[in-house]
Amino acid sequence: DTEVTQTPKHLVMGMTNKKSLKCEQHMGHRAMYWYKQKAKKPPELMFVYSYEKLSINESVPSRFSPECPNSSLLNLHLHALQPEDSALYLCASSPLGGVSYNEQFFGPGTRLTVL
Amino acid sequence: AQSVSQHNHHVILSEAASLELGCNYSYGGTVNLFWYVQYPGQHLQLLLKYFSGDPLVKGIKGFEAEFIKSKFSFNLRKPSVQWSDTAEYFCAVNAEGGKLIFGQGTELSVKP
Repeated sequence: DTEVTQTPKHLVMGMTNKKSLKCEQHMGHRAMYWYKQKAKKPPELMFVYSYEKLSINESVPSRFSPECPNSSLLNLHLHALQPEDSALYLCASSPLGGVSYNEQFFGPGTRLTVL
Repeated sequence: AQSVSQHNHHVILSEAASLELGCNYSYGGTVNLFWYVQYPGQHLQLLLKYFSGDPLVKGIKGFEAEFIKSKFSFNLRKPSVQWSDTAEYFCAVNAEGGKLIFGQGTELSVKP
């Protein structure tokens, strides 16, 4: 299995809702990432987990809360979001070992709309 | 600080024209370089990558890129574009902590 899967594909939520985005990979990768992408812009890094520990938080507001339950799963919990948080949320993973240790494999993304 | 610069914001070509998209990077360590493509409404896909060895890298769909260390460049090329190549193209370089630094992207529009 050489892919990263994300659910749901689309999510519409109100500003008072709580929702979660899910990401899964079965490539044995030990680093996982959350990115936010606006239309026709590059992905912006939000969080990095290395060996299931949060290693990078790019000053993301606390209304976004990441969780890495195990080496294959990555969640992003959402609460009290703002309309400007509407974007494509991408998950990625990388091996952290071998020749291509920092090549990142991206999932299809969750398109989030905050009303 | 690491950075990636893509020279062209929007490129418009006719089918069968040749393509070259510029990418320059700034990074003091050992570089790994990537080109990603994002077709309309789709997710990021890896076109090609450079880690070491032959500086001329061949990727999928007839794309290639050349790493020129002295110029800090990793330009993407394709001899003859197709309408289906219409997409957003991102150059990226590795950075500390396993991060990727992306360029601002180049939108390619190919006219049939």
